[in-house]
Amino acid sequence: EVQLVESGGGLVKPGGSLRLSCAASGFTFSSYSMNWVRQAPGKGLEWVSSISSSSSYIYYADSVKGRFTISRDNAKNSLYLQMNSLRAEDTAVYYCASLFRYSIFYWGQGTLVTVSS
Amino acid sequence: QSALTQPASVSGSPGQSITISCTGTSSDVGSYNLVSWYQQHPGKAPKLMIYEVSKRPSGVSNRFSGSKSGNTASLTISGLQAEDEADYYCCSYAGSSTFPYVFGTGTKVTVL
Repeated sequence: EVQLVESGGGLVKPGGSLRLSCAASGFTFSSYSMNWVRQAPGKGLEWVSSISSSSSYIYYADSVKGRFTISRDNAKNSLYLQMNSLRAEDTAVYYCASLFRYSIFYWGQGTLVTVSS
Repeated sequence: QSALTQPASVSGSPGQSITISCTGTSSDVGSYNLVSWYQQHPGKAPKLMIYEVSKRPSGVSNRFSGSKSGNTASLTISGLQAEDEADYYCCSYAGSSTFPYVFGTGTKVTVL
């Protein structure tokens, strides 16, 4: 059974940093592109960042470019998102997601990040 | 990159069919047969319902079907059931020159 388990969310002050982690199991993690998708309270889905299987290709949404860094450790079956210079508008549930055939077949349960003073 | 355009809400009675549209541009929906659809119930993670425009993952009811014409993709739910009440999002691949994926604005489906 495929499992994606996020951790690392919480309350942080504006300008602060947070590191999200995603532990993957049940599939060959190193073969798939991995992604972070977020959803602000009451809002729609927003694709935040994407990293290819070997980390050769990395993409960021304009809204987080220069502040967030995605990375992965295939030996540990883990995905990360380092978030710096956090803003109130970064408040959201962050989902870890695995990509297959250009679609997200598997989602984590999400971790809530709240940016507030 | 601008979000794909979906109607804010669609409603129907049990047993009816409804269709949700997803309008993009010639740079995303119009260029690739790589549109996916996701269902999201309140407080839950999204679930893949359709990929590559019209393919259903294993376990998804055949009441859900997808299609595309030009820059607009569509999701049709036939035989509407109470459990279909949820938010639905489309998503399209948009090439690798900028950010490769864009979501739709989302549609709230209400079963009357």
